Amino acid sequence: DAGITQSPRHKVTETGTPVTLRCHQTENHRYMYWYRQDPGHGLRLIHYSYGVKDTDKGEVSDGYSVSRSKTEDFLLTLESATSSQTSVYFCATAGGTNEKLFFGSGTQLSVL
Amino acid sequence: QKEVEQNSGPLSVPEGAIASLNCTYSDRVSQSFFWYRQYSGKSPELIMSIYSNGDKEDGRFTAQLNKASQYVSLLIRDSQPSDSATYLCAVNPLIKAAGNKLTFGGGTRVLVKP
Repeated sequence: DAGITQSPRHKVTETGTPVTLRCHQTENHRYMYWYRQDPGHGLRLIHYSYGVKDTDKGEVSDGYSVSRSKTEDFLLTLESATSSQTSVYFCATAGGTNEKLFFGSGTQLSVL
Repeated sequence: QKEVEQNSGPLSVPEGAIASLNCTYSDRVSQSFFWYRQYSGKSPELIMSIYSNGDKEDGRFTAQLNKASQYVSLLIRDSQPSDSATYLCAVNPLIKAAGNKLTFGGGTRVLVKP
């Protein structure tokens, strides 16, 4: 398995609080992604990164921000969590010439 | 309209039978296509990729692509209970390019009954 670690694995928080999810990879992959998965919607791209300090928005980026200060770490921040952000969040990585995505184990986030 | 459409299922098949899953996509410039398998509570894993029209076989799995009709399908031969999972279709407009921004369908849940 690719060395992708997501933390925390589960989190319950209250509406209006900031939340940061962390993705750490040991594969030295250039590309990193944050997806959310909701019933009936499949996986939807939130943000992605082409390299250190090089990020861009996906299809559902409103309410989320990201940072990538090191190759191995990609952080997803919910500045002020809302109940609509209750979801399972997956981090994924891809190497330089390999289109295969490797996924982390996911983070179950509940916003009450 | 969702860009990648799949029947949510569940698709129930008896053990040993062929499971047939379909996926349609709306972006005509899409060039690369993927099938991911996701067990309940787990992360997706890639099982097939296809780039050209026609069939691609890998073990018990066959992916079929028809760009003119904008659909891609997955056949699972000799279905086993261990094949029970959700199968996600994913589409990318770039061919074999790194940094894929895949668009996923909602997934088809497959149940293989012994």
